[in-house]
Amino acid sequence: KQEVTQIPAALSVPEGENLVLNCSFTDSAIYNLQWFRQDPGKGLTSLLLIQSSQREQTSGRLNASLDKSSGRSTLYIAASQPGDSATYLCAGHAGGTSYGKLTFGQGTILTVHP
Amino acid sequence: NAGVTQTPKFQVLKTGQSMTLQCAQDMNHEYMSWYRQDPGMGLRLIHYSVGAGITDQGEVPNGYNVSRSTTEDFPLRLLSAAPSQTSVYFCASSYSGVTEAFFGQGTRLTVV
Repeated sequence: KQEVTQIPAALSVPEGENLVLNCSFTDSAIYNLQWFRQDPGKGLTSLLLIQSSQREQTSGRLNASLDKSSGRSTLYIAASQPGDSATYLCAGHAGGTSYGKLTFGQGTILTVHP
Repeated sequence: NAGVTQTPKFQVLKTGQSMTLQCAQDMNHEYMSWYRQDPGMGLRLIHYSVGAGITDQGEVPNGYNVSRSTTEDFPLRLLSAAPSQTSVYFCASSYSGVTEAFFGQGTRLTVV
């Protein structure tokens, strides 16, 4: 059974810092990996999808990498801003008999203070 | 762009009542799914559908029914609400089961 772990559980940084959020998964047969952002009381907003054939994906100040052999993904946020404060979730897309199932980590709560 | 739309946003039910959570998407996505989010448990898959007329169970299907008569809609039915079903429910859709998933804003359900 796929298990996804996110470290750290919470992170507080001053504005302007570069930071890294970590996501690890137990089953390397993961198909794709997706990073989401969730604001309090809101839905999940897709940030980046890394396909199994890719090693990284970039969108603006965000860069996500995927290393299936080590079971790890990282989300790098450059020049953090208070508006980046949210919960960040990673989720693995399963293939095969678990096709379509997303397995989520517990999330990292990020606070960026001015 | 509407994306994935869920209604209602909030609902309070009494134990034993039934209700339907609505989910609609306008992206012509084949794959749709329902998750529940609980503190300390994360998001867990309830039911999913790979296309109109096809549904299957996820990780926590008990107490819930689904049907998929059209590509656009994927309602979730609570047959007899229990306090353990108090949760936030999210509907998601994607072109296929392994492409980018898009989520609705959620329905916060309280069963008393």
